Amino acid sequence: DADVTQTPRNRITKTGKRIMLECSQTKGHDRMYWYRQDPGLGLRLIYYSFDVKDINKGEISDGYSVSRQAQAKFSLSLESAIPNQTALYFCATKRGARDPDTQYFGPGTRLTVL
Amino acid sequence: GQQVMQIPQYQHVQEGEDFTTYCNSSTTLSNIQWYKQRPGGHPVFLIQLVKSGEVKKQKRLTFQFGEAKKNSSLHITATQTTDVGTYFCAGRRQWIQGAQKLVFGQGTRLTINP
Repeated sequence: DADVTQTPRNRITKTGKRIMLECSQTKGHDRMYWYRQDPGLGLRLIYYSFDVKDINKGEISDGYSVSRQAQAKFSLSLESAIPNQTALYFCATKRGARDPDTQYFGPGTRLTVL
Repeated sequence: GQQVMQIPQYQHVQEGEDFTTYCNSSTTLSNIQWYKQRPGGHPVFLIQLVKSGEVKKQKRLTFQFGEAKKNSSLHITATQTTDVGTYFCAGRRQWIQGAQKLVFGQGTRLTINP
């Protein structure tokens, strides 16, 4: 959806570099998520945030950090990128505890770490 | 490890043939959602199933949630080239300290021979 945007869309970097991926949303949703997608593994949760003061680790948070700068912005950082962090990264938003339990995904950022 | 298993990983069919993908969870799910990701795109929500034994239809797509709320299926009747993509199930399950999380299956990639 155009309501969830991610920058950059593609990035090639070198091992050891610090990288920030940004996500913005105009949907007014409280909850935001970062996933990575790898072939054959589906989508795995890195971090999630239920509001500006709430940050939670997902199942694969090691090597990543996040910042929820505002309700509409949630950024993901790789402090020192390594090749096995090469993946497609998606940001997603959700309204809250309401049904349906729908997550809205951004267009993704393809990250390559050399 | 993956807690929601989805099979098959790949499926190639002739246009007009039917297609089914299956999801199985090791634990009872609160709900199950299905998403579609077109090639080069991002996951897009299709439907949510909540009740035991629930069946929902969207045109040629039929979604089922098992009686034990541990498995689900998506069946497409008479596939069309527009059905090409990867279909993900995502089950909401208990996680830590009472929280619930959405766990994605690995996805089934559908390709169609016109």
